[in-house]
Amino acid sequence: QKEVEQNSGPLSVPEGAIASLNCTYSDRGSQSFFWYRQYSGKSPELIMFIYSNGDKEDGRFTAQLNKASQYVSLLIRDSQPSDSATYLCAVIGAGKSTFGDGTTLTVKP
Amino acid sequence: DAGVTQSPTHLIKTRGQQVTLRCSPISGHKSVSWYQQVLGQGPQFIFQYYEKEERGRGNFPDRFSARQFPNYSSELNVNALLLGDSALYLCASSPGGWDQPQHFGDGTRLSIL
Repeated sequence: QKEVEQNSGPLSVPEGAIASLNCTYSDRGSQSFFWYRQYSGKSPELIMFIYSNGDKEDGRFTAQLNKASQYVSLLIRDSQPSDSATYLCAVIGAGKSTFGDGTTLTVKP
Repeated sequence: DAGVTQSPTHLIKTRGQQVTLRCSPISGHKSVSWYQQVLGQGPQFIFQYYEKEERGRGNFPDRFSARQFPNYSSELNVNALLLGDSALYLCASSPGGWDQPQHFGDGTRLSIL
């Protein structure tokens, strides 16, 4: 079992819909949680970070964290074709940083 | 402000050779982390340096080493290259400790022949 698990997808949503991306992690000592977007052939780009249980909103993006259930999610509202990319979940604990393998999102016009 | 810069962009080496990759963090950032990414997978953590000291190490062999300089730039060295070392090597910087968001450079594409 991987330390950070994401559905590989592909996840396909129509333009304007809500895309929901999920991530589970195994280390209960994890403290910080990040979402990155990676376009094909490019490096990861930071979208959101969250440290405490609950929701955190930034524009069209909402990150949700539930430490008791060990999952973190990313909601993208009003999805646009330009949101089509691979979304990486990163979990930071003491002394290490662990990424999932990403979920590929396709937003269809 | 300039982002994280990495050099070189691309590199071709043969098995058994040694390679040095370089990274300059965002101005004001004191922490640098190195990652290896192969196609279809997420970045794998190699090292983190903060204030010139190693603060974290991933599950990579001793052939991988790194250091951070007084100006917070960093080098990643890989000795005795294997075909499996072919990957995109990413550097990320953050202002300080583990819990702070990391910003990635464009990476160095290393190909081993």
